[in-house]
Amino acid sequence: DAGVIQSPRHEVTEMGQEVTLRCKPISGHDYLFWYRQTMMRGLELLIYFNNNVPIDDSGMPEDRFSAKMPNASFSTLKIQPSEPRDSAVYFCASSPTFLGNEQYFGPGTRLTVT
Amino acid sequence: KNEVEQSPQNLTAQEGEFITINCSYSVGISALHWLQQHPGGGIVSLFMLSSGKKKHGRLIATINIQEKHSSLHITASHPRDSAVYICAVLETSGSRLTFGEGTQLTVNP
Repeated sequence: DAGVIQSPRHEVTEMGQEVTLRCKPISGHDYLFWYRQTMMRGLELLIYFNNNVPIDDSGMPEDRFSAKMPNASFSTLKIQPSEPRDSAVYFCASSPTFLGNEQYFGPGTRLTVT
Repeated sequence: KNEVEQSPQNLTAQEGEFITINCSYSVGISALHWLQQHPGGGIVSLFMLSSGKKKHGRLIATINIQEKHSSLHITASHPRDSAVYICAVLETSGSRLTFGEGTQLTVNP
């Protein structure tokens, strides 16, 4: 398996624009996680899915953020409208179970909002 | 006071040394997660544990639920172990995952 795939790897956009980050989890993994990492706040869990269903989105910072998982092999994290404070590295991870197994992280998407 | 505290914040060691990184937390948890972030930014999940001890190669993670403390040990450290090590706890109240600030480890040859 190729591991968790994220695209794009880098995104530069202007404030107010819509941004869509994409993730392909490892096949067979039932859990998918979206994280954000900034210098100020460190790593944060934004949302996670189980079998394509959002389970906990309490980490999503604002209504400008939304995440979907239309099928087992694809998820998106959308920011609309984007703001400079959204600049961060966004990681996607997947795992077979929630507690028993380690997670597999994607390479991350570095987002810069100017 | 942070809910998850790691110590030390920075650690420099010589190749071959035995290394211990500590994680203390103040909330009830159902599991604890150790992560490694390489200088290039990539993150590797090392351990997810809820009791006792786990070992993988030169890495050992232990947890004491009663004392609310976990340790990550690296035996025979190597320069390629240089990374940031992050502890995260999964609170029993729900699915909230709280991260520590990380420990920057540098292993010199």
